[in-house]
Amino acid sequence: EVQLLESGGGLVQPGGSLRLSCAASGFTFSSYAMSWVRQAPGKGLEWVSVISSSGGSTYYADSVKGRFTISRDTSKNTLYLQMNSLRADDTAVYYCARNSFGDAISDWGQGTLVTVSS
Amino acid sequence: DIQMTQSPSTLSASVGDRVTITCRASQSISSWLAWYQQKPGRAPKLLIYKASSLNSGVPSRFSGSGSGTEFTLTISSLQPDDFATYYCQQYNSYPYTFGPGTKLEIK
Repeated sequence: EVQLLESGGGLVQPGGSLRLSCAASGFTFSSYAMSWVRQAPGKGLEWVSVISSSGGSTYYADSVKGRFTISRDTSKNTLYLQMNSLRADDTAVYYCARNSFGDAISDWGQGTLVTVSS
Repeated sequence: DIQMTQSPSTLSASVGDRVTITCRASQSISSWLAWYQQKPGRAPKLLIYKASSLNSGVPSRFSGSGSGTEFTLTISSLQPDDFATYYCQQYNSYPYTFGPGTKLEIK
């Protein structure tokens, strides 16, 4: 069974940093591209970033480009999202996700809440 | 960036109804479109990928169609478990983008 367990969310001040982690299990982590998707309270889904299976390619939403960095550690079966220069509009539940079927998002974690507020 | 729109934004229907949700892309995305279902407080669930392929374990009352810029998700006979919000997503080109969602409510 595919399991994705996010951690690292919490309350942070505007301008601060936070690193999210996602522990993956139940599949061969190194074989799949992985993504982060977020959802602001009461709002729709927003695609944030994707990293290729090898880690060699990364892509970002315009809203986070230059501030967020996605990475992966295959030895630890863990996906990361380093978030810098956080703003109030980054407040959201952040979902870790596994890509399949040509980059559809086939599996989702339970999400971790990030709140940016003073 | 490719913009995704969905219609309607809210849909009221009854158990047993056939319903259709439309998703449009601002430019051609071939068949690189997925549909997700989300219930309050839960992570989304993949229903359809590549416009018309049913994900494993998804009931056959769900179907998807379309290509290019116009796509539809159809539920052939609504069940109580189907009342949720539905999102389309294009994964043809970066940045990938979601539609704004369609909330399916009980009439």
